[in-house]
Amino acid sequence: GDSVTQMEGPVTLSEEAFLTINCTYTATGYPSLFWYVQYPGEGLQLLLKATKADDKGSNKGFEATYRKETTSFHLEKGSVQVSDSAVYFCALSGTNTGNQFYFGTGTSLTVIP
Amino acid sequence: AAGVIQSPRHLIKEKRETATLKCYPIPRHDTVYWYQQGPGQDPQFLISFYEKMQSDKGSIPDRFSAQQFSDYHSELNMSSLELGDSALYFCASSSAGAASGGYEQYFGPGTRLTVT
Repeated sequence: GDSVTQMEGPVTLSEEAFLTINCTYTATGYPSLFWYVQYPGEGLQLLLKATKADDKGSNKGFEATYRKETTSFHLEKGSVQVSDSAVYFCALSGTNTGNQFYFGTGTSLTVIP
Repeated sequence: AAGVIQSPRHLIKEKRETATLKCYPIPRHDTVYWYQQGPGQDPQFLISFYEKMQSDKGSIPDRFSAQQFSDYHSELNMSSLELGDSALYFCASSSAGAASGGYEQYFGPGTRLTVT
């Protein structure tokens, strides 16, 4: 079935370090891929998305490229800040089974000054 | 900009009681989704509605039911509550409709349900 496998955390980085959070997926059809961020006690906020192969989503310095050949959508940021501390969820939707989202297990990121 | 509104934000119930969670989608959004996020877990899809009709069904227990009304708001009704129902319940809306795929969903802040 459709699923998302996400790099397990927690991840702790120093400010200005490079961030990579791995995400791979299994899906029927041609899904769209998303990264959502969840700050403590808050809901899910869309960080970026890509709707077809080779698309690159970007926002607030974060980037992810939809790689169909490796079924991956890894999240990267060149220089993290303390304010980036949150839980990051990789997700897909729009498969042959419907429009609901399938989420990865989430990766907790803590950035220390 | 208007966002998805959920009420109440917090709810405490006892075992075997009932609860009703409400979701008000972004104006002109026609599709509503419900998700359950247990402590330290990823959100799990429960059910969705498009134009007031159920469109997809996920891991929603038989004790739960939901509907979407003519003004597009949705309610999740939960009966015979169990301790394991304690979770954060998210509602999301989109304007894609049931026939389209891959459109982003806008999430509400969630309702935190605690069953004691």
